[in-house]
Amino acid sequence: AQSVTQLGSHVSVSEGALVLLRCNYSSSVPPYLFWYVQYPNQGLQLLLKYTSAATLVKGINGFEAEFKKSETSFHLTKPSAHMSDAAEYFCAVSEGWNTDKLIFGTGTRLQVFP
Amino acid sequence: ETGVTQSPTHLIKTRGQQVTLRCSSQSGHNTVSWYQQALGQGPQFIFQYYREEENGRGNFPPRFSGLQFPNYSSELNVNALELDDSALYLCASSKGTGVGNTIYFGEGSWLTVV
Repeated sequence: AQSVTQLGSHVSVSEGALVLLRCNYSSSVPPYLFWYVQYPNQGLQLLLKYTSAATLVKGINGFEAEFKKSETSFHLTKPSAHMSDAAEYFCAVSEGWNTDKLIFGTGTRLQVFP
Repeated sequence: ETGVTQSPTHLIKTRGQQVTLRCSSQSGHNTVSWYQQALGQGPQFIFQYYREEENGRGNFPPRFSGLQFPNYSSELNVNALELDDSALYLCASSKGTGVGNTIYFGEGSWLTVV
């Protein structure tokens, strides 16, 4: 069965510092992986997705993630945090090889301090 | 702005009552999925409708039911409400059901059961 684990329910960084949010996956089929962001009282917005093309995926708002099969990881990074990046971030994996149903992690709340 | 609209945005119901949540999908999208997001958790897949037929269901009891209409809008119905049904209910639309699809989420309906 497919699953994702997000290490660290809360991450705090200073404005301008590197953002690193961790996601490890478990999948019995080649995974399709996603990062979503949720701002307070809003729905989910897609940041980026991995669909077996390039292993380094660039997304919106300066975020990127690297698929590492050997480490079963798909960590999200941003070189320089901005105050507006404060939000909840969710990693997700497709449930199977022929479906777009998603299985989400429990989320990581990112705080950015001035 | 994803083009997915949900109503109502907030509602309070009493245990044992029934509730209907509504979703209008993005133009051109024929697939609607519903997710439940409990406080502090990631979204969990409830079910999906594709061209007016149920196309998969998560681990939710039969008192969670749905409909999709010819214009691809959708309803989520929950009968015999329980306190644990209090959550954010997210509707997501996509074109088709293929793996790796980009899924667009609405802003959700907050349900409180008292």
